[in-house]
Amino acid sequence: EAQVTQNPRYLITVTGKKLTVTCSQNMNHEYMSWYRQDPGLGLRQIYYSMNVEVTDKGDVPEGYKVSRKEKRNFPLILESPSPNQTSLYFCASSLIGTGALNQPQHFGDGTRLSIL
Amino acid sequence: GQQVMQIPQYQHVQEGEDFTTYCNSSTTLSNIQWYKQRPGGHPVFLIQLVKSGEVKKQKRLTFQFGEAKKNSSLHITATQTTDVGTYFCRADDKIIFGKGTRLHILP
Repeated sequence: EAQVTQNPRYLITVTGKKLTVTCSQNMNHEYMSWYRQDPGLGLRQIYYSMNVEVTDKGDVPEGYKVSRKEKRNFPLILESPSPNQTSLYFCASSLIGTGALNQPQHFGDGTRLSIL
Repeated sequence: GQQVMQIPQYQHVQEGEDFTTYCNSSTTLSNIQWYKQRPGGHPVFLIQLVKSGEVKKQKRLTFQFGEAKKNSSLHITATQTTDVGTYFCRADDKIIFGKGTRLHILP
C-alpha cells in the first residue's frame, strides 16, 4: 500500500531535549516536505527536499533541521525544542511537477508534539 | 511573497444546505489544488485545476478556476455530515496552502 509513515504519532517531551520525527514514503517520490499545523494558521511549510541531499527552507524553518540521505526518508530534527514548537506536524511527499502540472501531495497521519 | 487568501475561515450550515469556499490570489496561478482534512485526519487531495475557467465536478462537489486564474472556488451542494472538515486550496509550485475553511454541519 502506497503511504507516508510518520513516527511517533504523539510525543510529550521537555524543553531542550533533542527529538527526531521520522518520515518514510514507499512511492519513490522525489519531493518531500514538512508542515506544521496550528489553529487559525493553516499548514505552514518548514522544510522541503526536491531529491536526495537537496533541502531548502520553507516559511518557518527556525528551530528545525532536516536531512535527505535516502530518497524514502526525510526526518525532522528539533535540536533544542521549545514550547512554541508544540504543534501538529505533517510530512508529505509527491512526484516533481513539470510545467503547470503540480503533483498532488500525499500526507502522513501526523505527529502531535507537546513541548513542556 | 505569493499568498493565497481563503474565505471564509469558518462556516456553519444546516445539513442539506449548500456551502462554498473561495481561494484568492494576488498573482496569476499556473494551477490550484484542493484538499480535504477530516477532523483528526490528514489532508487528502481532491482535485487539481489547470485551465482558465475550468470547472470540474465530483458528485456534489463543484470546483472552478477563474478566468484570470487568480481565484478558485469549491461548492458543495446539499451538504451531508460526511462533508465535515477543513478544505484547503494549494497554489502553484511554491506549495502555498491557504489557511483553510472549516465546515461544520448542523443536523
